[in-house]
Amino acid sequence: QKEVEQDPGPLSVPEGAIVSLNCTYSNSAFQYFMWYRQYSRKGPELLMYTYSSGNKEDGRFTAQVDKSSKYISLFIRDSQPSDSATYLCAMDYSGAGSYQLTFGKGTKLSVIP
Amino acid sequence: IAGITQAPTSQILAAGRRMTLRCTQDMRHNAMYWYRQDLGLGLRLIHYSNTAGTTGKGEVPDGYSVSRANTDDFPLTLASAVPSQTSVYFCASSSGYGTDTQYFGPGTRLTVL
Repeated sequence: QKEVEQDPGPLSVPEGAIVSLNCTYSNSAFQYFMWYRQYSRKGPELLMYTYSSGNKEDGRFTAQVDKSSKYISLFIRDSQPSDSATYLCAMDYSGAGSYQLTFGKGTKLSVIP
Repeated sequence: IAGITQAPTSQILAAGRRMTLRCTQDMRHNAMYWYRQDLGLGLRLIHYSNTAGTTGKGEVPDGYSVSRANTDDFPLTLASAVPSQTSVYFCASSSGYGTDTQYFGPGTRLTVL
């Protein structure tokens, strides 16, 4: 079993839809949870960063962590064509030195105008 | 501020040839990383460096070597390229302190024939 599982999609939604992207993980030592967005032929860029359980909101994006279920989610409200990208979840054992980052394989999202 | 630059942008290489991928960051980050990204496999860590003068092996280090002579540069060398090293290579960096996040370069697309 991989440490981090992420549905690769592809996921196609109409503009304005609410999008839910998810990852599950098996290692309870993960403490820090991140979502990266990667546009085609570009490097990943950090989108959201959360610590432990709970929700974090940033504009149209909400990151949710449920450590009891080992499940994290990224919600995108009022999705836009510019949100079309691959979204990667990532997790860290500790905040000091991220060389332990473990990535999901990414979910490819297309938002159709 | 350039962030992280990688060179070349893309390269076609004959099997058996030696190749060095260059990575430079201007953020004075302590930690640097090399990943490869392959369809269906996601991002996999090749090598990392927590600080200048030190390096470590990631998940897929075989066939690759790195050096970290100074803070800014972290070259990745393929001593004798093989077709299975065809991939997109990303360099990343992080401060190495506290609640750390990784910042990625634009990538190098390498094809080994």
